[in-house]
Amino acid sequence: SQTIHQWPATLVQPVGSPLSLECTVEGTSNPNLYWYRQAAGRGLQLLFYSVGIGQISSEVPQNLSASRPQDRQFILSSKKLLLSDSGFYLCAWSIHEGSENGYTFGSGTRLTVV
Amino acid sequence: AQSVSQHNHHVILSEAASLELGCNYSYGGTVNLFWYVQYPGQHLQLLLKYFSGDPLVKGIKGFEAEFIKSKFSFNLRKPSVQWSDTAEYFCAVNARYGGATNKLIFGTGTLLAVQP
Repeated sequence: SQTIHQWPATLVQPVGSPLSLECTVEGTSNPNLYWYRQAAGRGLQLLFYSVGIGQISSEVPQNLSASRPQDRQFILSSKKLLLSDSGFYLCAWSIHEGSENGYTFGSGTRLTVV
Repeated sequence: AQSVSQHNHHVILSEAASLELGCNYSYGGTVNLFWYVQYPGQHLQLLLKYFSGDPLVKGIKGFEAEFIKSKFSFNLRKPSVQWSDTAEYFCAVNARYGGATNKLIFGTGTLLAVQP
């Protein structure tokens, strides 16, 4: 069966420090991968999505970047964190070209920038 | 581009009360519609979905939702809520023929608190 792993679960980082959040999927190949940020009262905002290795699309301009070095690995990064980067980050995967199947979400990372 | 509106941000109900959470979407083409639920401390999980056929869809735990195309709505309902239904509920939509990207657009969520 397919599983999705996301780590770390919680992270406290100082302003200006770098960030790397990792997400991996098991049990499937060539998935679509997504990074969302969940903020109170603002729902889930799509940050990045990827339909293949090295293919990244950004939905909103921001201080973050994403990379997909392997088929089932999706990384969210920042060179210098801002206070406004605090939030709950969720990774998700879906079947390629299967729009009616929805997503499977990871357990999320709670990032606090101090 | 698609957008989703959830009108109720916080809902407080007593056990056995009926529930209806509103969801409206904006998109000119054919859509798939979803409701996700996030119980305290748990993953987001799929509650139900609609992509074709009977516009009244039934999901897990006694939830159902009705797609009304003329109103661009996909409201979630449950006849009698339980304390264990306390959670945050998200409506989401994607374009049926959106190609490989399969992007889901989410509403802002509704926090439901059920009082015993």
